[in-house]
Amino acid sequence: DQQVKQNSPSLSVQEGRISILNCDYTNSMFDYFLWYKKYPAEGPTFLISISSIKDKNEDGRFTVFLNKSAKHLSLHIVPSQPGDSAVYFCAASAKNYGQNFVFGPGTRLSVLP
Amino acid sequence: EPEVTQTPSHQVTQMGQEVILRCVPISNHLYFYWYRQILGQKVEFLVSFYNNEISEKSEIFDDQFSVERPDGSNFTLKIRSTKLEDSAMYFCASKLDQYNEQFFGPGTRLTVL
Repeated sequence: DQQVKQNSPSLSVQEGRISILNCDYTNSMFDYFLWYKKYPAEGPTFLISISSIKDKNEDGRFTVFLNKSAKHLSLHIVPSQPGDSAVYFCAASAKNYGQNFVFGPGTRLSVLP
Repeated sequence: EPEVTQTPSHQVTQMGQEVILRCVPISNHLYFYWYRQILGQKVEFLVSFYNNEISEKSEIFDDQFSVERPDGSNFTLKIRSTKLEDSAMYFCASKLDQYNEQFFGPGTRLTVL
């Protein structure tokens, strides 16, 4: 039962270009979404979040877009840098479900110099 | 900057043995979590802990698992009789309140032989 899906296991982008990572969810009760970045041998690091009352949130080079009707969110990184190379996890939670996060399987981003 | 710490970084144990994984959450945080990630798979929620009791647990968190916050600073996960399939990275996370994101520790790699 994959409530949170990230259909691209990997993505390669040239340095300076835009990286777009996608995430789809099935549970309409989800109302809070996060993106985490994970380097090898480290724990996930919080990147950016968005609640269901918004459709966009921006923080520096990172922007998250939420399309509630499509149950889809995306993370845009502009411009991409080699240090952005990591696994990116989309995670979702619902207030009524104790706010425990359901993680997607992750997308490995490689930013090529 | 405050961070979640976990010890040990790597634990090797024999099947059937008990293990205790330790976490020190960020000091003023009130909500605590354990997640695991089996190699090559997604991060999975195990248990959440608030106000000195379990608030939610997943199907994975069966009678072999227990959590404790023995002294107000440590947050431990005990597996009573480890199985081969318990081999995974175990991440502890904490958050300040229900409105904030979770901060993850670096993880403990558990290897069950």
